[in-house]
Amino acid sequence: NAGVTQTPKFRVLKTGQSMTLLCAQDMNHEYMYWYRQDPGMGLRLIHYSVGEGTTAKGEVPDGYNVSRLKKQNFLLGLESAAPSQTSVYFCASSPDSRLVSTDTQYFGPGTRLTVL
Amino acid sequence: EDQVTQSPEALRLQEGESSSLNCSYTVSGLRGLFWYRQDPGKGPEFLFTLYSAGEEKEKERLKATLTKKESFLHITAPKPEDSATYLCAVPSYTSGTYKYIFGTGTRLKVLA
Repeated sequence: NAGVTQTPKFRVLKTGQSMTLLCAQDMNHEYMYWYRQDPGMGLRLIHYSVGEGTTAKGEVPDGYNVSRLKKQNFLLGLESAAPSQTSVYFCASSPDSRLVSTDTQYFGPGTRLTVL
Repeated sequence: EDQVTQSPEALRLQEGESSSLNCSYTVSGLRGLFWYRQDPGKGPEFLFTLYSAGEEKEKERLKATLTKKESFLHITAPKPEDSATYLCAVPSYTSGTYKYIFGTGTRLKVLA
């Protein structure tokens, strides 16, 4: 199993450009999450999904949109990138299981995004 | 307000020198406290979940403990490969809003 994968690994955007980050998981997990990690601020939840076709806002959703059209994929979109969105973005997933806490999250390797 | 604070921010140990990392938390209705390890340039990797005060979990040189206000990650006789950032997190579900609150981490460096 590949676990959680993220595409791309690195990206540089100009202010105002748009892009989509792709997260894929092959563990049949119900829940998926997008975080951003900034120095001194830790990981912050942007949006999450509790199942195919559902999405919900996290702690810092402004400027981002998400979609979960397929259970294994969770997309994060930036419609008009701003320098404040320069960060490392992590995707995570967690199972809906009686054996493992649904709050146990498995993370991808991250996408380093720079907005100029 | 739900909150997680980790200390120290950074810790340098000699190989074999045991120590403890602290995670203090404030949350309405604890659903579990989670420890993760993060290596540079990688995503966090799950280590432990603790659910109730008094609970302990062990894995190799690591032992996590939990009280009603804080959790400790004890590192016994560390090796250089234990160098990483250790993160703790608590989930919270309040007024229909889900949060997964991470501390800012402790950067551990173990010197050979």
